[in-house]
Amino acid sequence: EADIYQTPRYLVIGTGKKITLECSQTMGHDKMYWYQQDPGMELHLIHYSYGVNSTEKGDLSSESTVSRIRTEHFPLTLESARPSHTSQYLCASSALGALGTEAFFGQGTRLTVV
Amino acid sequence: AQKVTQAQTEISVVEKEDVTLDCVYETRDTTYYLFWYKQPPSGELVFLIRRNSFDEQNEISGRYSWNFQKSTSSFNFTITASQVVDSAVYFCALSEAARGSTLGRLYFGRGTQLTVWP
Repeated sequence: EADIYQTPRYLVIGTGKKITLECSQTMGHDKMYWYQQDPGMELHLIHYSYGVNSTEKGDLSSESTVSRIRTEHFPLTLESARPSHTSQYLCASSALGALGTEAFFGQGTRLTVV
Repeated sequence: AQKVTQAQTEISVVEKEDVTLDCVYETRDTTYYLFWYKQPPSGELVFLIRRNSFDEQNEISGRYSWNFQKSTSSFNFTITASQVVDSAVYFCALSEAARGSTLGRLYFGRGTQLTVWP
């Protein structure tokens, strides 16, 4: 069973609000990822990190930002939420240095911006 | 470029039927890894299997089996005697062995929604 946690599970928020989606893992994994999943199911990588103080943008352009100050914590922030940000956000982690290691996923945060 | 194609968007079967989910991939790497994940209605992605590019042995785990064929770049997943609890979205994914800063990231297919009716 994976030890990666996302909070909140569900969030409904008004346009213009600042929000932070939390992601924490207790497995000591160096690699962490944020994926955005639209209702059409497809997963898009929006951010990733290979360790503390390392963050990179993924394939899908996103107005969100991330930080990695501690190994176990990889929060995602939207400074000003818009309806176009409505989506499910999935956080994942995997071990660094082990080729082909599977990623473990959190349960996701379903965000609705009204 | 890496790409994973799951041509079946939705599949519906009746309980106890066998069902195969197709996955076709593209990569220029000689070393790569293939995965299947299950996403139940609760939302998290659950890891099912990993296969590396040098191991073409098919694998069976209970009612699940996987058929990896490099010649056709396919990694298909079969559920035997399906059950209602198998209803979920299933994702096929590919990761490359080594390429700079993107080491280890997963490229996902669009997913196949499987519905098993009682």
